[in-house]
Amino acid sequence: DAGITQSPRHKVTETGTPVTLRCHQTENHRYMYWYRQDPGHGLRLIHYSYGVKDTDKGEVSDGYSVSRSKTEDFLLTLESATSSQTSVYFCAITTSGRDEQYFGPGTRLTVT
Amino acid sequence: QQQVKQSPQSLIVQKGGISIINCAYENTAFDYFPWYQQFPGKGPALLIAIRPDVSEKKEGRFTISFNKSAKQFSLHIMDSQPGDSATYFCAASNNFNKFYFGSGTKLNVKP
Repeated sequence: DAGITQSPRHKVTETGTPVTLRCHQTENHRYMYWYRQDPGHGLRLIHYSYGVKDTDKGEVSDGYSVSRSKTEDFLLTLESATSSQTSVYFCAITTSGRDEQYFGPGTRLTVT
Repeated sequence: QQQVKQSPQSLIVQKGGISIINCAYENTAFDYFPWYQQFPGKGPALLIAIRPDVSEKKEGRFTISFNKSAKQFSLHIMDSQPGDSATYFCAASNNFNKFYFGSGTKLNVKP
C-alpha cells in the first residue's frame, strides 16, 4: 500500500460546511494526487502535487483546494461542501521513477 | 471530454474463460498505460502497465495488447477465476504527471 493512510475514512457533513481530508505517506514520495470516484466516471483527478508547496489543478478542481506544507501530508479542502461532492476520495502517490501509482484506502464523504 | 474511453461497462465470464476489456485514447502524447484492479471498499491496485514502444506485455494470466496506430489498448485475463471478479480501470498518462482513467469495467466471473 506504499504507506498511504487517509483520514477520516468516513465522514458525513452538511451542505455549506468546510471539510478537510488528509493524506499521509511515510515513504517520502514527491508526487501526490487527489481523485474522486463516482459511478460511471471512474477516477477523476482533482489536484496533484509535485513537491512541498507545489500543486496543480486536475480535471475537476472547482470547489476544492489543496495544501502541501510537508512532504508526507497532502490536504484536500472542500471550501463549502455541496451535495455534488458526495463521493469516495482517493489519495495516491507515484514512486520515484514516476511509473507506478499507488492508492490509499479512500475516504467516503457524504454531504447532506 | 473523456480522455480515455473504456468498454464494456460490465462483463460476465465463465470460470476458465477469457475476459477482454478495451480502452481507447485520443491524446498521442500519452506514453504510459496502466491497468488497475479494484475490489469493493478498497483502493485501486496497479495490475500491469505498458509503454507504447511494445505491442504486448504479459504477466501471468494478464496480458496487455497495445495498438499504437489505432490508439487502443486492451486487457486480457486468461483462465478467468472467480477471484478475478472486480472492477478494472485502464488509464493513460503523459510523462506521469497526470493520469486519466477510463470509467471502469465490472467483471463477474461465474463458477
